[in-house]
Amino acid sequence: SQKIEQNSEALNIQEGKTATLTCNYTNYSPAYLQWYRQDPGRGPVFLLLIRENEKEKRKERLKVTFDTTLKQSLFHITASQPADSATYLCAFRSGGSYIPTFGRGTSLIVHP
Amino acid sequence: GAGVSQSPSNKVTEKGKDVELRCDPISGHTALYWYRQSLGQGLEFLIYFQGNSAPDKSGLPSDRFSAERTGGSVSTLTIQRTQQEDSAVYLCASSLEVGSNYGYTFGSGTRLTVV
Repeated sequence: SQKIEQNSEALNIQEGKTATLTCNYTNYSPAYLQWYRQDPGRGPVFLLLIRENEKEKRKERLKVTFDTTLKQSLFHITASQPADSATYLCAFRSGGSYIPTFGRGTSLIVHP
Repeated sequence: GAGVSQSPSNKVTEKGKDVELRCDPISGHTALYWYRQSLGQGLEFLIYFQGNSAPDKSGLPSDRFSAERTGGSVSTLTIQRTQQEDSAVYLCASSLEVGSNYGYTFGSGTRLTVV
């Protein structure tokens, strides 16, 4: 079965720095992967999707990379702000399934 | 509606009672999904609907769990004879179609506490 690994330790960074979160997967080659943001007491909010044939995707201060050789995706937030503090989830969907598998998420804390 | 609406937002129930959780997806979204999230855990897939049919029920933890969707819109997740291990946040999401490349829209969830 598919395993999704995200760093369980919180990432603490200083405002203005670039935050980089990691998502590793095993087994099947994903058709795409998604990144979500989740705030306490709220449902996840979709941020970005990247397909298996794409190496990079950007949206404003967000950038996602996808390395199918390393079986890894990196999620970057540039010029981070305290408002970016949240838990970030990645989710993979393989070509043989309609349902993405979610990681447990990594908590990001941006200090002013 | 503008977003996915779930009710109730919080539910405390006694062990052994039945509960119904409701999800109202975004209008026009044909796919609807139920997940649950326990403290410190990832999202656990329960079931999805394409229209009114549920092609994949493999994620339902036991036969105490069931779900239906009527009119291609509102969905109800029912848990019979609740147990303490059922305590979690139950999240509903919808998308334009199954396997959508545009991400899911989640509701805020129902926090279920079984005492």
